[in-house]
Amino acid sequence: DAKTTQPPSMDCAEGRAANLPCNHSTISGNEYVYWYRQIHSQGPQYIIHGLKNNETNEMASLIITEDRKSSTLILPHATLRDTAVYYCIVNSFGGYSTLTFGKGTMLLVSP
Amino acid sequence: GAVVSQHPSWVICKSGTSVKIECRSLDFQATTMFWYRQFPKQSLMLMATSNEGSKATYEQGVEKDKFLINHASLTLSTLTVTSAHPEDSSFYICSARVAGTNEKLFFGSGTQLSVL
Repeated sequence: DAKTTQPPSMDCAEGRAANLPCNHSTISGNEYVYWYRQIHSQGPQYIIHGLKNNETNEMASLIITEDRKSSTLILPHATLRDTAVYYCIVNSFGGYSTLTFGKGTMLLVSP
Repeated sequence: GAVVSQHPSWVICKSGTSVKIECRSLDFQATTMFWYRQFPKQSLMLMATSNEGSKATYEQGVEKDKFLINHASLTLSTLTVTSAHPEDSSFYICSARVAGTNEKLFFGSGTQLSVL
């Protein structure tokens, strides 16, 4: 069963901010929110993860709502190379657990 | 960040032959590696969990005798597709986590297998 819900596709103009939403209403207290992206014919690339506080790194920002039931990945200045499928994943990430991928959001960045 | 190297990046083989895919953690040790399969326009599906020095754990519906996994060292796991058939054509991806941590997973670049 899918733990997250994402829109199947989104469009964004180059240079603008891309805001990718994710619903995870059944998230548990010990589960993190992870974001990965997959450019066509490549392996997934880690972007960012968080537990309850907002996070920022060189790639993106992650905004998690106070009730942790949803989050938004923000690419502040999207480029054509950001065109990819973006996966939002919740996982407790302990022991031998791995990541279960949903269908993700296909982000198309256009000139 | 940590690098996972996967080889080959693509392979074409005849039906009935076997193909080996290697997954290496280049700058870290990985007690556990994971193998995924991805069909066109679909998401990644976990096939098996590879544990160093022990037998792999396969997901339901994945034939362990067909997809042989060997994790002989802390930096290398191999997936061998035996007696390949056209329906085995897919994109295979491995991933690994730094041993002893609950850090993020790092993924290989994937192997596109085409069985003729």
